[in-house]
Amino acid sequence: DTEVTQTPKHLVMGMTNKKSLKCEQHMGHRAMYWYKQKAKKPPELMFVYSYEKLSINESVPSRFSPECPNSSLLNLHLHALQPEDSALYLCASSQVGRDRGSDTQYFGPGTRLTVL
Amino acid sequence: AQRVTQPEKLLSVFKGAPVELKCNYSYSGSPELFWYVQYSRQRLQLLLRHISRESIKGFTADLNKGETSFHLKKPFAQEEDSAMYYCALSRVNRDDKIIFGKGTRLHILP
Repeated sequence: DTEVTQTPKHLVMGMTNKKSLKCEQHMGHRAMYWYKQKAKKPPELMFVYSYEKLSINESVPSRFSPECPNSSLLNLHLHALQPEDSALYLCASSQVGRDRGSDTQYFGPGTRLTVL
Repeated sequence: AQRVTQPEKLLSVFKGAPVELKCNYSYSGSPELFWYVQYSRQRLQLLLRHISRESIKGFTADLNKGETSFHLKKPFAQEEDSAMYYCALSRVNRDDKIIFGKGTRLHILP
C-alpha cells in the first residue's frame, strides 16, 4: 500500500460542532503532517509528528487539536471553528531516516472542509 | 530565513514549445530541493527531487548552488502538463519541514 488515505472527503460543519479528520498510511513512515491549503495557495504546514510525538506546531490555534494514536494514524480534531478555517486539509507522511528532512512527502487527497 | 521564490504566478506556453518554471531559494545550510505538482482534482505529488537527477514525464531540474536556483524544464510541452507546480525546499539534517514556494500555474495552449 503506497497511498495516504484521508476521510472524509468533504465535511460541512457549524461553528459549534466538534468533528475529526482522519489520515492513514501503511508505508511504514514515521513522520506525519497536517497542512492547510486555501484555493490557489501552497500548502501551509500546521503540525508534524515524528515517531508519534508532536515535533512541530506552527502556532496553530487551539481549536485544531492533532492526535497520533499510532504510527499509521493521524487525526485532527476540530472544535469551534471559524468560517475562515474553510480550506482543503492535507495529510502527508514521510520516512524519518539518517538524512532527516530530506525525504519525500506523500500526500493524501485531502478533506475539503466548509465551516458555516 | 529560508525562502523559496517562484516569480511567475501563471505561465502560458503553446503545446510543443519549451517550458521553464523558475525557482530560486534562500538557505544558508545544505538544502534538498523538490518539485511537486498538483493536477486538477488530483493530490499533490512529487514530480522530482534534485538528488535523484532523473527525468520524470520529460521534466528535468538542475540544482545550481551558485545561482541558488532549481528551475524546472521540459523541451516540448504537452497539454497534460497543465497543472500547478510548487518548488519546495527541505532542510537536510535539520527537521522534517518542507518550505513551499507560492506555486506557478502552467497552462498549455493548444
